[in-house]
Amino acid sequence: DGGITQSPKYLFRKEGQNVTLSCEQNLNHDAMYWYRQDPGQGLRLIYYSQIVNDFQKGDIAEGYSVSREKKESFPLTVTSAQKNPTAFYLCASNQKRTFTYGYTFGSGTRLTVV
Amino acid sequence: AQKVTQAQTEISVVEKEDVTLDCVYETRDTTYYLFWYKQPPSGELVFLIRRNSFDEQNEISGRYSWNFQKSTSSFNFTITASQVVDSAVYFCALSGEAAGNKLTFGGGTRVLVKP
Repeated sequence: DGGITQSPKYLFRKEGQNVTLSCEQNLNHDAMYWYRQDPGQGLRLIYYSQIVNDFQKGDIAEGYSVSREKKESFPLTVTSAQKNPTAFYLCASNQKRTFTYGYTFGSGTRLTVV
Repeated sequence: AQKVTQAQTEISVVEKEDVTLDCVYETRDTTYYLFWYKQPPSGELVFLIRRNSFDEQNEISGRYSWNFQKSTSSFNFTITASQVVDSAVYFCALSGEAAGNKLTFGGGTRVLVKP
């Protein structure tokens, strides 16, 4: 079945460490997105990519980095510069300029700083 | 800029009651899309409905119904005869060309259905 796979489901990070969250899709979607969700709040866009080897900052990109070397993959690195990284991270994808079903979302990664 | 406001942060009802979730949006686009997503405790967002700005017909799908009113920039969602399985966080979202077709989410409304 087609879908988005995020891993790991839970991740613990020590202060000062970089960590990378994985997002893989087999939907042949052009565009991929990373959102952050804090408790009791909505989703905020971190980074997005509409084509391989190209990506743009979203609303809260500081302290994060991404790459898009393959169409299927859009990993997110949470760097030590991100002062408050504890949150739930959701990856999404969609066929560029096709909004029949909006975005398809992964099941998320819950990151905790210890 | 586009914005979505869900004024209700949490709604608690008893099973079989109806519940209406409000969504108000702002956009400069003439062509835009509105969405509702459900987020169960597992965390994944589940697509419920898409509505484009030219289609103001209300829609019903089983116990779910949506009321789109362009004049008031609202896209409200009603669950009829609620069930415990409806307990989740519900997000309204907006997409339009001015924002590069990116989705902007409201803050979400947590619905708790008690047996």
